[in-house]
Order: sequence, then structure tokens, then C-alpha cells
Amino acid sequence: QKEVEQNSGPLSVPEGAIASLNCTYSDRVSQSFFWYRQYSGKSPELIMSIYSNGDKEDGRFTAQLNKASQYVSLLIRDSQPSDSATYLCAGNNYGQNFVFGPGTRLSVLP
Amino acid sequence: GAVVSQHPSWVICKSGTSVKIECRSLDFQATTMFWYRQFPKQSLMLMATSNEGSKATYEQGVEKDKFLINHASLTLSTLTVTSAHPEDSSFYICSARDTVGANEQFFGPGTRLTVL
Repeated sequence: QKEVEQNSGPLSVPEGAIASLNCTYSDRVSQSFFWYRQYSGKSPELIMSIYSNGDKEDGRFTAQLNKASQYVSLLIRDSQPSDSATYLCAGNNYGQNFVFGPGTRLSVLP
Repeated sequence: GAVVSQHPSWVICKSGTSVKIECRSLDFQATTMFWYRQFPKQSLMLMATSNEGSKATYEQGVEKDKFLINHASLTLSTLTVTSAHPEDSSFYICSARDTVGANEQFFGPGTRLTVL
């Protein structure tokens, strides 16, 4: 199993809908997780970090961590066309490095 | 806060020449910086981890003699692509880890390298 896995998409949602992005991780990844957004041709931008089991909300974004299932997700409420990007899930590998998933491409249709 | 800059933002060079890319943390001290490479439509690939004052740790398959990394201060790391070839053309991105804060990595804007 890869350390961090994501569905590559593309995930298409209509404007105003909730976009749900999922990520699973292996035992080789510690339990600090990060969601980054990357627009085409640009570098990743940190959206959320989550360290504890449960939900963490920031504006239209909610990160969810389920340690028992080794699952972390990002919900985007009221999706906008400007949210169209690739979303990268990352975890620490018990050291100082991050392990990135391959990314999920999100397309929000007007 | 947590701003990371890179210079240059893009560079075009001839095959066989060397190119230096700078990465700076502008408003925090970064004892650790990371260098990534990203080819079109592919995910980030970690090339090396750079710790201030010590030698960089390279990922498997990355040639340390070709990709020279120097992390001379808490706010500056440089990547030099030596004897560049067209296959080195890529998007090079650095990130810096704020060890004082919440252990997050902040990315620079990236450098697009094209080797002719």
C-alpha cells in the first residue's frame, strides 16, 4: 500500500454543491495531516491542517480525520468555480518529511 | 506570515549550463527546507531535504552531484542544477518548515526551468 492514496479524479460538482475529497494513509504515516490546493502551473497552497480525530472547520472548508479507519477528508461547502484545482493530501512520515498523495483534480461547474 | 519566496520564477538555459535557484523564508526561520520537482500533470516528487548547516539528504534516485543544495542560513537554501539537460526541464518548488509553529510546510511559488 502506498503511504498516502487519493482518487485522482477528476471530481466534478456543480457550483454551490459540497465537494468531498478523500484520502487514506498507511501505518507508515503519522497522524498529522495537511490539505493543499494547487492551481495549474502554481505551487501548492496550504488550506488546512488536522492533528486530532474528528472535524476541523475553517470557513467553507472542513477537514475530517478518522484514525481508526486511517482516513482523512476535506469537504468544501458552497463550491465555487474558483475552487477548481488539484487538492493534495499530505502526512508526516514520522520524520521531518511530508508524504504527498497524487492529488485529486476538482472541477466545479458553473 | 509564513511567506516563502523563490528566485527566479522562470529560467531558460542552454544544455550543459548550470542554473541556481534560491529559496528564502521571508518572515520565519526555517531550519529545514525541502526541494521538490513536478513534471506536467504529475504529483510532487521530493528531491531532497535541506537542513541548515549540514549536508542535504537526497531521495533515492536523485543525483546529489547534479543537484547541489546549500542551506547556509536559516532563511536561505539554494539548488543548483549542474550541467542541465532537456530532461531536467521541470517545475522546481521549495518549501520551508516552520519548526516554531504548527509543523506545517509552506511552499515557494516555484521555478519553471526550461533547458534547450
